[in-house]
Amino acid sequence: KAGVTQTPRYLIKTRGQQVTLSCSPISGHRSVSWYQQTPGQGLQFLFEYFSETQRNKGNFPGRFSGRQFSNSRSEMNVSTLELGDSALYLCASSLGGTRDTQYFGPGTRLTVL
Amino acid sequence: QKEVEQNSGPLSVPEGAIASLNCTYSDRGSQSFFWYRQYSGKSPELIMFIYSNGDKEDGRFTAQLNKASQYVSLLIRDSQPSDSATYLCAVNGGSARQLTFGSGTQLTVLP
Repeated sequence: KAGVTQTPRYLIKTRGQQVTLSCSPISGHRSVSWYQQTPGQGLQFLFEYFSETQRNKGNFPGRFSGRQFSNSRSEMNVSTLELGDSALYLCASSLGGTRDTQYFGPGTRLTVL
Repeated sequence: QKEVEQNSGPLSVPEGAIASLNCTYSDRGSQSFFWYRQYSGKSPELIMFIYSNGDKEDGRFTAQLNKASQYVSLLIRDSQPSDSATYLCAVNGGSARQLTFGSGTQLTVLP
């Protein structure tokens, strides 16, 4: 079974721009979660989608948003990029239960100049 | 605020030794506990998960959970240089389906 895929793998943007990241979950998985990883803050939860609905949201500003499509694929958007948004953005998929394991994709490395 | 704390690193052990990684969590409602391994420049990879008090063994890895003490650990037996990585403890609490991660412990296994 194919793993979680994320595109693009690398992105370079400038301040003020916006960016869209994509995630395709493992086949059969209906939950997609997004995380941001930085050296200073570690891994932090952004939000989780299940059946096209946002179920959970972390403590990030409204510039961070997402959506999920009927095929469970998910996109994350960051508007008005700031230098501090430079990070590894990780997508994880699971079956969606409270105890289900989350499997991570390879991540998208975003650099904001 | 829910917190997950991991023992400070970095941790170095000789090849063949047992590496012990520790983690404490603040949310008593936490239900599931995970250990991920992350190589430099890569994404986290699941090593173990544990839900119930006690020990769970999988090959060279043993996860231990003590809910009363809010403590979870990972033992790596017969450590190999390929085990050198950052180990992340993650906790999924209550009805939330989000993982709260510790800051990670960097393990180096010396040949």
